[in-house]
Amino acid sequence: DAGVTQSPTHLIKTRGQQVTLRCSPKSGHDTVSWYQQALGQGPQFIFQYYEEEERQRGNFPDRFSGHQFPNYSSELNVNALLLGDSALYLCASSFAGLAGTTGGELFFGEGSRLTVL
Amino acid sequence: LAKTTQPISMDSYEGQEVNITCSHNNIATNDYITWYQQFPSQGPRFIIQGYKTKVTNEVASLFIPADRKSSTLSLPRVSLSDTAVYYCLVGGGYNFNKFYFGSGTKLNVKP
Repeated sequence: DAGVTQSPTHLIKTRGQQVTLRCSPKSGHDTVSWYQQALGQGPQFIFQYYEEEERQRGNFPDRFSGHQFPNYSSELNVNALLLGDSALYLCASSFAGLAGTTGGELFFGEGSRLTVL
Repeated sequence: LAKTTQPISMDSYEGQEVNITCSHNNIATNDYITWYQQFPSQGPRFIIQGYKTKVTNEVASLFIPADRKSSTLSLPRVSLSDTAVYYCLVGGGYNFNKFYFGSGTKLNVKP
C-alpha cells in the first residue's frame, strides 16, 4: 500500500515563474492538506481540500492555489514566484468521510523542495 | 485560534526517558492534540494523538491534564535514532478543523 507520494522531489525556478506540485494521497484517504516549511521552521498550513473543494485556508496570498481531482489527488500551484517561496512543500492526506472529521492521523509525503533563484 | 509553545531544544542521553511539554492555552473544545516526529528533509511522522487523559502506544505516551491547556509527550528509553524535531499540533476534529504546527522541539540524544 503506497503512502503519500509527491512530485517532483526537487525543482529550481526563477522569480516570476509559476510552479505546480503534485500529490497522491494514501489509499483510502479523501482529504489533502498542503503545508509550506521554510528551513529551520515548522510547517505552515496553506490549505485543505475535500470533495474537490477548498475547505480551509491558512494565511497565504492568492498566488497560492490548489485543486483536488475526483481520484483525490491534488495539485498546488504558485504563481509569480518570490525568493521567499523557497521551501519544502509538504502534502498530507487523511480520511474525513461524510462527517468531515479530521481528527485522525495525517500521513505526510516526503515533500517537494522548491528553490527560487 | 489555538497555538502551541514548546521548548526550542532538549538534550538527553541514550536509555533515558524524555518528556517534552507543549502549552496550548487557547485549545478549542473540538481540537485534538497530536505529536509528530520529523527528520531532516523528510515529512513529519505521526507519533501519538489524544483528546484528554492518557494515551499510550508502542512508541510513546501522551499525558493531557483535565484543562487540556498543555500536554506532555513521553519517550521511554530514547536511542540515538530518536534525534529529531518533535512537533505538538492542536486541531482536527469535526468540520475540517485544520491542524497548526508550532516551531517544534529539537531533541538531541547523546551516546
